Amino acid sequence: DTEVTQTPKHLVMGMTNKKSLKCEQHMGHRAMYWYKQKAKKPPELMFVYSYEKLSINESVPSRFSPECPNSSLLNLHLHALQPEDSALYLCASSQAGTYYNEQFFGPGTRLTVL
Amino acid sequence: GESVGLHLPTLSVQEGDNSIINCAYSNSASDYFIWYKQESGKGPQFIIDIRSNMDKRQGQRVTVLLNKTVKHLSLQIAATQPGDSAVYFCAENYGGSQGNLIFGKGTKLSVKP
Repeated sequence: DTEVTQTPKHLVMGMTNKKSLKCEQHMGHRAMYWYKQKAKKPPELMFVYSYEKLSINESVPSRFSPECPNSSLLNLHLHALQPEDSALYLCASSQAGTYYNEQFFGPGTRLTVL
Repeated sequence: GESVGLHLPTLSVQEGDNSIINCAYSNSASDYFIWYKQESGKGPQFIIDIRSNMDKRQGQRVTVLLNKTVKHLSLQIAATQPGDSAVYFCAENYGGSQGNLIFGKGTKLSVKP
């Protein structure tokens, strides 16, 4: 299995809602990532998990809360988001512990905040 | 030809021609580079990578060239096909931290049949 899956594909939420994005991979990768991508812009790194521990947090607001419950799953909990948080949220995974490793991306969750 | 739109540079080529997509990276300490292809509605897809101790690497129909002197990366696609139409991003890894990928602005490749 060489896929990274993400659910849901689309999500519409109000500013007072709490929702979660989910990501799963079964490639045995121990590094997982969250990116945010605005339209016509490149992906921007948000968080990196390595061996289920948060290793990089790129100064992301606390209304985004990542969680890595096990080596195959990565969640992004959303609370009190703003309309400017509307974007495509991409999950990726790669081998950990070795520097030169490609990241495999999922199809993303298209988030709209009303 | 190549043009710079409001947000995304665009390269338009004829089917069968060769395409060259350029990327200027920002950090001279970067030592690993990846080219990704992103089709509409999909996540980025790995095309080819290159380490800083190399200046050229070839894959199937693709070649990546690295010029560290001027911090420039290029992706050459031979015999471009309509299925190559997508946005192409270069990404650099720097800072000694795994996973610290910084993506370039991207170039939209349009292939005319």
